[in-house]
Amino acid sequence: AQSVAQPEDQVNVAEGNPLTVKCTYSVSGNPYLFWYVQYPNRGLQFLLKYITGDNLVKGSYGFEAEFNKSQTSFHLKKPSALVSDSALYFCAVRDGSSGNTGKLIFGQGTTLQVKP
Amino acid sequence: ETGVTQSPTHLIKTRGQQVTLRCSSQSGHNTVSWYQQALGQGPQFIFQYYREEENGRGNFPPRFSGLQFPNYSSELNVNALELDDSALYLCASSAAGVSTEAFFGQGTRLTVV
Repeated sequence: AQSVAQPEDQVNVAEGNPLTVKCTYSVSGNPYLFWYVQYPNRGLQFLLKYITGDNLVKGSYGFEAEFNKSQTSFHLKKPSALVSDSALYFCAVRDGSSGNTGKLIFGQGTTLQVKP
Repeated sequence: ETGVTQSPTHLIKTRGQQVTLRCSSQSGHNTVSWYQQALGQGPQFIFQYYREEENGRGNFPPRFSGLQFPNYSSELNVNALELDDSALYLCASSAAGVSTEAFFGQGTRLTVV
């Protein structure tokens, strides 16, 4: 069965320090991986995606993510956190064997708290 | 902003009633998906429409139904509302294909009392 796990409910980091938000996945076919951010009472904003190729993917607002096939992980990273990065982050996977169905499987979300 | 708009932003319904939520997709996108996000949870896939036909469905009962129109806008209809239907309903539009990212609207907050 397809699934996404975000093992940390909350990540706390000081402004200026590097941050990592963890994600592991399980799919039967090739994984297409996505990160989204959600601010309070808002929809989800797309940050970045991994389809194929380079394992390090760069996205919006200075975020990047590293795909690791052997560990089935897709961790979100940023070299220097900002207070404005504080939000709820979702990892999502789409199974490449699902045909044209765009079904995204989301993790439970990780709240990132960046303190000044 | 994503260009995906949803209406209304909030509404309150009574158990047993019916509700229709609306979504206008981003220009150039022919695929619309609907998700339910309960409080404190990740979004759950309800169904997807591609060129006006349902093209995939999640684990939701038949009282959840939808439509997609020729301009690719979409509706989500929920009949016989239950208290557990209270959630944020998100619409996402995308180009066709498994590798394309979905762009989400701001959501409709439905409260069933």
